[in-house]
Amino acid sequence: QQKVQQSPESLSVPEGGMASLNCTSSDRNFQYFWWYRQHSGEGPKALMSIFSDGDKKEGRFTAHLNKASLHVSLHIRDSQPSDSALYFCAVSELDSGYNKLTFGKGTVLLVSP
Amino acid sequence: GPKVLQIPSHQIIDMGQMVTLNCDPVSNHLYFYWYKQILGQQMEFLVNFYNGKVMEKSKLFKDQFSVERPDGSYFTLKIQPTALEDSAVYFCASSFGTGGFQDTQYFGPGTRLLVL
Repeated sequence: QQKVQQSPESLSVPEGGMASLNCTSSDRNFQYFWWYRQHSGEGPKALMSIFSDGDKKEGRFTAHLNKASLHVSLHIRDSQPSDSALYFCAVSELDSGYNKLTFGKGTVLLVSP
Repeated sequence: GPKVLQIPSHQIIDMGQMVTLNCDPVSNHLYFYWYKQILGQQMEFLVNFYNGKVMEKSKLFKDQFSVERPDGSYFTLKIQPTALEDSAVYFCASSFGTGGFQDTQYFGPGTRLLVL
């Protein structure tokens, strides 16, 4: 069983709309969540991380974490065509002294003009 | 922002040969990582490296794999000999800080390796 599950696999939203992506960890050792974004031909780039319950906002991006259910979501407000990319959820093991990330399979986001 | 470079971008090699993947990490970073992504699957951790040593490796990091960063030059992943199942995209990453779970990893664009 994959330790990090993402949904949906793909998502299409109109420009200016709200995109919502989901991620769940199945292992209580994995509680520090990251969102990465990857544009075609590039490597993944960290968008934000979240560890505490509740919301964390950075510009148009808001992450929400529920630690009890190990579920994190990413909401992109006022989506732009440049937001079209592959979004990865990744988690760090809390007791690992040397950070190794465990990734989900990703969600493909398409923002149409 | 900080950039990690990877050379080459693509590599085709015959099974059994040796291949070296090169990574130019962010200049002041201290921790280095390799991840492997097979087509259609999630990216998976291979190894991390600090102060000239492998700190942690996964079961995917077979005996045929080795990493080094001689004299602060490229951080390299060498596979010798290669096998068909080594065909994948290999991503290099680097980070500056403690290496702990809050440390941001910066990724390169990947090297696409095809073993025939």
